[in-house]
Amino acid sequence: DAGITQSPRHKVTETGTPVTLRCHQTENHRYMYWYRQDPGHGLRLIHYSYGVKDTDKGEVSDGYSVSRSKTEDFLLTLESATSSQTSVYFCATRGLAGEGTDTQYFGPGTRLTVL
Amino acid sequence: AQRVTQPEKLLSVFKGAPVELKCNYSYSGSPELFWYVQYSRQRLQLLLRHISRESIKGFTADLNKGETSFHLKKPFAQEEDSAMYYCALRNTGFQKLVFGTGTRLLVSP
Repeated sequence: DAGITQSPRHKVTETGTPVTLRCHQTENHRYMYWYRQDPGHGLRLIHYSYGVKDTDKGEVSDGYSVSRSKTEDFLLTLESATSSQTSVYFCATRGLAGEGTDTQYFGPGTRLTVL
Repeated sequence: AQRVTQPEKLLSVFKGAPVELKCNYSYSGSPELFWYVQYSRQRLQLLLRHISRESIKGFTADLNKGETSFHLKKPFAQEEDSAMYYCALRNTGFQKLVFGTGTRLLVSP
């Protein structure tokens, strides 16, 4: 499981409230990703990071922000949650290609419900 | 633009029947293709990648550049193959994956 944990695992919140999801990894992987999984849409990339303090947008980044102040932690923040952000959120990590890791490893997911 | 298409949302077969999960992609460069699987109550994990040309759990997938396809096949499905399967594409030199919408495989006894 590449030592990837996500917290919280489940969260119910109300529209308009801020929410922060945390991804923690113990593999010292350089790359980290946040996806959302929705029926009919599969997995869509929200944001990703290619190093500490280096982040970039994915295909569905509106309404989300991220931060990575340490190699092991990648935070996803919903500044003002909306019902359309109800989803299952997955974190993933990937090491450098030269280190023999040519795959993304996924966390267990966080189920977020915005009422 | 990069795109991965999995035309079937659900594929239902009986145990012992052949299985083919379709995946088509659009990408002008040299793609790397992957299949990921998510079993019930488990996290998403890599099943196989085209560059390895390997067989995992009896599944194989061949990259067909002419037809821009990377279909996943297994000659005899097992009940434990029931899961959600995602095809994914990565463009060389970048670190992002583009996923298809997924196909749920249901293998009945």
